[in-house]
Amino acid sequence: DAGVIQSPRHEVTEMGQEVTLRCKPISGHDYLFWYRQTMMRGLELLIYFNNNVPIDDSGMPEDRFSAKMPNASFSTLKIQPSEPRDSAVYFCASTASRLAGGSYNEQFFGPGTRLTVL
Amino acid sequence: GQQVMQIPQYQHVQEGEDFTTYCNSSTTLSNIQWYKQRPGGHPVFLIQLVKSGEVKKQKRLTFQFGEAKKNSSLHITATQTTDVGTYFCARSGSYIPTFGRGTSLIVHP
Repeated sequence: DAGVIQSPRHEVTEMGQEVTLRCKPISGHDYLFWYRQTMMRGLELLIYFNNNVPIDDSGMPEDRFSAKMPNASFSTLKIQPSEPRDSAVYFCASTASRLAGGSYNEQFFGPGTRLTVL
Repeated sequence: GQQVMQIPQYQHVQEGEDFTTYCNSSTTLSNIQWYKQRPGGHPVFLIQLVKSGEVKKQKRLTFQFGEAKKNSSLHITATQTTDVGTYFCARSGSYIPTFGRGTSLIVHP
């Protein structure tokens, strides 16, 4: 298995621009998570999906952030408009529940997208 | 949400020295997970502890879960430069983990 795939790996944009981050979870996993990691705040859970349905988006910083999961193999995290304080590494992770054949509910992280907003 | 606290935040050791990081919760944990993140990398799952007093070993790494299931520790014996990274504990409830801030280990050759 290729693992969780994220694109792009690096994104540099200017303040005010729209940014779209993409994620392909591991096939068969029924949970998908979006995290943001910064030195100041550590690893923050932004939103998670179960069977493509958003369950909890209380970690999304503000309305500028939105996430979708149109199908089991694809999710996007969009920031519009972007601001310099959004600069961070954004991770996508997936998990297989016991119903989906998982055992440890361990999280499998993608390589992350390093976002820099100038 | 209910948090887990990790100490220390940073630890510098000479190669060959031992290292321990601690994870504490004010409430009882159903389980505790440990992850390692290499510099520039992503968190990678190491282990999950479920039982009170559980001890598990992975080569030079020893993981413990407290008797009261409110704390956990990760001990590395004779550190190597390959152990460099940040070690996170995470409480996991219903597949939704809450990560600690992590302990960054710096190993000096």
